[in-house]
Amino acid sequence: NAGVTQTPKFRVLKTGQSMTLLCAQDMNHEYMYWYRQDPGMGLRLIHYSVGEGTTAKGEVPDGYNVSRLKKQNFLLGLESAAPSQTSVYFCASKTGTGNQPQHFGDGTRLSIL
Amino acid sequence: EDKVVQSPLSLVVHEGDTVTLNCSYEVTNFRSLLWYKQEKKAPTFLFMLTSSGIEKKSGRLSSILDKKELFSILNITATQTGDSAVYLCAVSSNTGKLIFGQGTTLQVKP
Repeated sequence: NAGVTQTPKFRVLKTGQSMTLLCAQDMNHEYMYWYRQDPGMGLRLIHYSVGEGTTAKGEVPDGYNVSRLKKQNFLLGLESAAPSQTSVYFCASKTGTGNQPQHFGDGTRLSIL
Repeated sequence: EDKVVQSPLSLVVHEGDTVTLNCSYEVTNFRSLLWYKQEKKAPTFLFMLTSSGIEKKSGRLSSILDKKELFSILNITATQTGDSAVYLCAVSSNTGKLIFGQGTTLQVKP
């Protein structure tokens, strides 16, 4: 049972480059989330999705875009990477029914030089 | 603005000690409070609390919620080195989104 899988695990980018982080879940969850985790700041919500084809902004959406073309996948894109986007990125998912916890992937460590 | 505040931010204890971690919150449309443990990678779910005064317990870990005073505590008794981790408190609103605290870093020394 894979749960929530994030790829890649590590990446180093140069300022201005673009990239896409992939999150895949095999639990048939409706809701999916992207967070970033920075020292001393906990996890902050970037974007989220409550179902296939829908996305919404979270607390810190600027500089990021997302897409949810398939229920099991949630993609996070950086169009023009900036050093301020150096962080650890976590994806999470949860069922849309009932009051259930979010389940997290292992994270992607991204460094922007 | 919704916020969740954890204290202390870091804590160093010795094996066998008991620790209490604190989480206070100001969140509109509160639905539940969750505790997660984060070692090197993914946060892993510990407890979800929705009602005041009911203690959730799993082995040496327990947690309680006070909805009137807007806080929760996580207790760990007879700590072990394997309890060393970052403990995250998060509050869920009726939108399904989680608001996280800064986390408490616990180090348990042998």
